[in-house]
Amino acid sequence: EVQLVESGGGLVQPGRSLRLSCAASGFTFDDYAMHWVRQAPGKGLEWVSGMSWNSDSIGYADSVKGRFTISRDNAKNSLYLQMNTLRAEDTALYYCIKAFSQSGGALAIWGQGTMVTVSS
Amino acid sequence: DIQMTQSPSTLSASVGDRVTITCRASQSIGGWLAWYQQRPGKAPKLLIYDASRLESGVPSRFSGSGSGTDFTLTISSLQPDDFATYYCQQFHSYSWTFGQGTKVEIK
Repeated sequence: EVQLVESGGGLVQPGRSLRLSCAASGFTFDDYAMHWVRQAPGKGLEWVSGMSWNSDSIGYADSVKGRFTISRDNAKNSLYLQMNTLRAEDTALYYCIKAFSQSGGALAIWGQGTMVTVSS
Repeated sequence: DIQMTQSPSTLSASVGDRVTITCRASQSIGGWLAWYQQRPGKAPKLLIYDASRLESGVPSRFSGSGSGTDFTLTISSLQPDDFATYYCQQFHSYSWTFGQGTKVEIK
């Protein structure tokens, strides 16, 4: 069974940093692109960042470009999101997602999410 | 960036109704479109990919169509489990964007 377990969320002050992790199991991790999507409380879905299977292709939403960095460790079956200079508008539930293919495509399997709250 | 516009934002329907949700892209995306269902308090679930391909395990009452800039999600006969929020999403040039969502409510 495919499992994606996010961790690292919590309460953080504006301007500080946080690193999210996603532990993947049940599939060949390095065969698939991976993504982060977030959802602010009561709001819609916002794609944050994605990375191809071999890290050659990376994309970011304009709202996080220059502040967030996605990375993966295929040996550890793990995906990461380093979030710097956090703002109140970054408050959201962050989902880790397995894509449909190596390069991207649809977002096939979603984790349950980890909550990030940015507040003083 | 490519913008995705869904309509309607909210839809009231009854069990057994045929329901159609539309999604328009601000520029052509070919067939690179997916649809997701999100029930309250749950993670989204992939329904349709590549505009018209049904994800494994998804009931056949769901179907998708369209290409270029205009796309449609149809539920042929609405079931109690289908009352949820639906999102379209495009993937083009390693950038993904979602529509704002369509909430399907009980009439």
